[in-house]
Amino acid sequence: QVLLVQSGAEVKKPGASVRVSCKASGNNFITSEINWVRQAPGQGLEWLGLVLPMTGNTDYAQKFQGRVLMTTNTSITTAYLELTRLTSDDTAVYYCAIGEARGQWFDPWGQGSPVTVSS
Amino acid sequence: DIQLTQSPSSLAAFVGGRVTISCRTSQTISTFLNWYQQHPGKAPKLLIFGVSRLRSGVPSRFSGGGSGTEFTLTISNLQPEDFATYFCQQTFNTPLTFGGGTKVES
Repeated sequence: QVLLVQSGAEVKKPGASVRVSCKASGNNFITSEINWVRQAPGQGLEWLGLVLPMTGNTDYAQKFQGRVLMTTNTSITTAYLELTRLTSDDTAVYYCAIGEARGQWFDPWGQGSPVTVSS
Repeated sequence: DIQLTQSPSSLAAFVGGRVTISCRTSQTISTFLNWYQQHPGKAPKLLIFGVSRLRSGVPSRFSGGGSGTEFTLTISNLQPEDFATYFCQQTFNTPLTFGGGTKVES
């Protein structure tokens, strides 16, 4: 099965940007769907959007439109999440996850990348 | 956006017991309802997809059901490793949304 390994923890100042990576093992990266989900401390799960490595097409949650960018590098089977104009509300663990069966369920998930936004 | 309301938000249970968690959606979502388990400090893991289909490798004590706007996750013969937080998710349309979670405690 695919294994997703994410980049490490980040600490950023308000107004800065952060980029999180998600490297996939296995043979099906090009035909997969990569979703990004975040979880603020002690809170639930929030979907940010998805990217299709084959086409580069994206679908972002409206809440993040204008300050989120999801990309992939198929040559190294890695997906990226960039979030700009950070505020303390963006402090969370960010997860990538494969959307199976054209996004009907998420399996597997990466281990998570903690992002802290603090002055 | 489709809202998912889970209940209860937490519950106390014992090893060997049975628990049922509810997930109510703000509109009908066909069978696009999934359940995930999350232990503290860990990523969520898929348990059940398509309302009632058990992911390979997940013990049969987990079961899902429901239709329309009312769905349930049931854990029978609760084991120590089942104490965790459970989330429902709808993938009927975007933005994809999750329930608020149910923490199963001892």
